This record gives sequence, C-alpha cells and structure tokens, in this order.
Amino acid sequence: AQSVTQPDIHITVSEGASLELRCNYSYGATPYLFWYVQSPGQGLQLLLKYFSGDTLVQGIKGFEAEFKRSQSSFNLRKPSVHWSDAAEYFCAVGAFTGGGNKLTFGTGTQLKVEL
Amino acid sequence: DSGVTQTPKHLITATGQRVTLRCSPRSGDLSVYWYQQSLDQGLQFLIQYYNGEERAKGNILERFSAQQFPDLHSELNLSSLELGDSALYFCASGNSQNTEAFFGQGTRLTVV
Repeated sequence: AQSVTQPDIHITVSEGASLELRCNYSYGATPYLFWYVQSPGQGLQLLLKYFSGDTLVQGIKGFEAEFKRSQSSFNLRKPSVHWSDAAEYFCAVGAFTGGGNKLTFGTGTQLKVEL
Repeated sequence: DSGVTQTPKHLITATGQRVTLRCSPRSGDLSVYWYQQSLDQGLQFLIQYYNGEERAKGNILERFSAQQFPDLHSELNLSSLELGDSALYFCASGNSQNTEAFFGQGTRLTVV
C-alpha cells in the first residue's frame, strides 16, 4: 500500500526567505505525486503534480518540486516566501483506479510566515 | 473556484442521526471522490464513483454510504452518527484523462 511521510509538522520562515517542504513516499510503481495547499476554512488547491517526464515540475504561485526516485522524495520549494503563503501543505501520492486517482495524503506541514 | 460544489457548508447534528452531504462535480468530470479530514486521522480517502459505478473504496465505515446519480452529482450518507464522525468532508472530481482531482470547499460536520 502507498504511504506519504511529511516529517515536518510545523515550519516557520521569514518573508522573503527560501522554503523547502519535505515529502517522502512509498509506492510500488511509478508514482503520481501531488502537492496541495489548504488555507484556513478553505478546500484543497493543487499547487503542482508529477506524472512522468521532467523531474523538476513548476506549479502555481512560484512553487516547484523535484521528484527524486532514488530518495523516494518529492520536496516542494519556493525561492522567496510571501506572507500569503502561510497555509497547510499536503503531499499526496495517487493510485490509478481506472477513472482517476485515489490519493493518499501525508499528515501535512503547517507553514507560518514571519513578517 | 474549483468548480466543485458541496452543500451544505456546515452541518450540526446529534448523535444517532443521519445526514446527507451533496456534491456537484466540475462540468465534464465523471469521477467523484469523497475524503474525510479529521484532527486524529488526517485526510483519508473514503470512496470513488466513476460514471455512476463504485470504482474504489478506502477506509469508509459501514455506517457510511455513497452513490452517484445519472446527472453525476454524488451524495454521501452518514448514519448512526457518533461524536468521532465530526470532521470536514471533501468531495473532489476528475476524469480518466485529467488525473488530478479538484476539491470542493468541504462540508464541516459537527456531531453533538
């Protein structure tokens, strides 16, 4: 069965600083990987996804992630954090079900941005 | 706006009761997924329907059931509610060609 580990429950960064959120996955085949963001009281918004091809993927809001098969990782990065990036971030691995993907999520990383 | 609509946004009910959560997927999406988000369990996949048929099942309790109607909207039925069922229930939609899921804003269920 697939699983996702997000080792950092909380991270605090200063506005303008760089950010890296860690994600490790366990999956038997080539994974479909996702990063979602959840602001308070909101739903989940897709930041970026990896299905195949280039291991460095670009997403919305200036985020990028790199798939490293040898390390079973899919870390999320942003070169300069804005105060509006404060939210909870979820990494997920998808298992194809024939009509899409059922997602297994990590426990999330709560990002706080200091002004 | 993801295009996925969930109603109601908030629901407060008593233990032992039954509730129905509704989801309208994005136009053109054939798959509907239900997820539960709680403090102790995190985000968990419950069930998926594709074009009216159950396609995948996760950690869904026997007290819970779902269906997808011919117009592709879906309902999640929760019965014999317990305090521990209090959670945020998300619906997501997608299709076989577009493998990412788009999430609704969720229904916050409080069981008192």
